[in-house]
Amino acid sequence: EDQVTQSPEALRLQEGESSSLNCSYTVSGLRGLFWYRQDPGKGPEFLFTLYSAGEEKEKERLKATLTKKESFLHITAPKPEDSATYLCAVQAPETGGFKTIFGAGTRLFVKA
Amino acid sequence: ETGVTQTPRHLVMGMTNKKSLKCEQHLGHNAMYWYKQSAKKPLELMFVYSLEERVENNSVPSRFSPECPNSSHLFLHLHTLQPEDSALYLCASSLGGLAPDTQYFGPGTRLTVL
Repeated sequence: EDQVTQSPEALRLQEGESSSLNCSYTVSGLRGLFWYRQDPGKGPEFLFTLYSAGEEKEKERLKATLTKKESFLHITAPKPEDSATYLCAVQAPETGGFKTIFGAGTRLFVKA
Repeated sequence: ETGVTQTPRHLVMGMTNKKSLKCEQHLGHNAMYWYKQSAKKPLELMFVYSLEERVENNSVPSRFSPECPNSSHLFLHLHTLQPEDSALYLCASSLGGLAPDTQYFGPGTRLTVL
């Protein structure tokens, strides 16, 4: 069964304390892996798309990497404004088109 | 306005009410989606429209009825809902097509069913 698992469920960091969020997936024929940020009461905001193993993308303090089984979102020297829920999603082909499967997210809290 | 907009942002309704959620995208996309988001659960895909045709319906109860009159607008009509339907309802849009397809989300409608 295709699935996406994110860990940890919640992560508490001190400001400046770097860490990584994990997204592991089992799908047949990955077309793309997406990272989103979601603030409370708002819709997910797109961050990155990764297409193939070995690919990396960066944006400010965030860096996303991809292997054949998982993706990491590395957060370097986080600030309180990085506090949010980070969602991972994968896209894979299915009959007649494709499907998108989301993980449950990692809630990140950064304390000043 | 830009991006994906949703109205209303908050909705409280009784189980016998009929209401509608509205979504509009200003991105020139061809595909639109409705998702349900409950606490600590993954986003649940409800409906997908591509070029105004429904292409997916993930066993959603008939008390939810989607409508897509054109590629920029999407509605979700609600009637005789249950308290367990209380959630954040998110609309998204994407270009559609064969390439990996990034979805862009609206701010959501927080629905409470009493």
